[in-house]
Amino acid sequence: GAVVSQHPSWVICKSGTSVKIECRSLDFQATTMFWYRQFPKQSLMLMATSNEGSKATYEQGVEKDKFLINHASLTLSTLTVTSAHPEDSSFYICSARDPARGPYEQYFGPGTRLTVT
Amino acid sequence: GNSVTQMEGPVTLSEEAFLTINCTYTATGYPSLFWYVQYPGEGLQLLLKATKADDKGSNKGFEATYRKETTSFHLEKGSVQVSDSAVYFCALSVDTSGSRLTFGEGTQLTVNP
Repeated sequence: GAVVSQHPSWVICKSGTSVKIECRSLDFQATTMFWYRQFPKQSLMLMATSNEGSKATYEQGVEKDKFLINHASLTLSTLTVTSAHPEDSSFYICSARDPARGPYEQYFGPGTRLTVT
Repeated sequence: GNSVTQMEGPVTLSEEAFLTINCTYTATGYPSLFWYVQYPGEGLQLLLKATKADDKGSNKGFEATYRKETTSFHLEKGSVQVSDSAVYFCALSVDTSGSRLTFGEGTQLTVNP
């Protein structure tokens, strides 16, 4: 099967600092990757869509200067939370698509829990 | 806008019981509908999907039928197992690639032996 990993799985940072989360497709090439945010006991909310080699497309209400997304290769996308604040504490999940596997197949990482103190 | 509403959880059942998790949606256009499952410590996995009205998606004994008239996509399984314990998410997508997903709140299912 297709595997997507995230690193780190859990991170704590101080308010005002930046933190980077990596999302990797381990056994396929992901032309498109997605970043979601999940609050406790709530649904996943799509933050942005990134295509390899181009700028990410952000959903309405998501600050693109705060959540920097870079999809530098077909196997790696990164989300950088800049100048983090406690309200950014959340569970961040990425997913990846490989069109060769069909139009509806999307593979999810296990998520990264960010805590900002 | 697009939205998905799932029945509130958590749901606790005994092994071999019948499972129904309700899901209703609102969407512009004609969405594709999905059920995802998340086992403890793992990423979401696609469980089943339906891309047009009256389609029935099925996998691992689970099934759901796309009901356009009631805007519903209820998940059912005739006999649950302990290994089915997980969080189940209903989702929709209105783009042709089925990519940008709108999720429901998720329903935690616990199956006791």
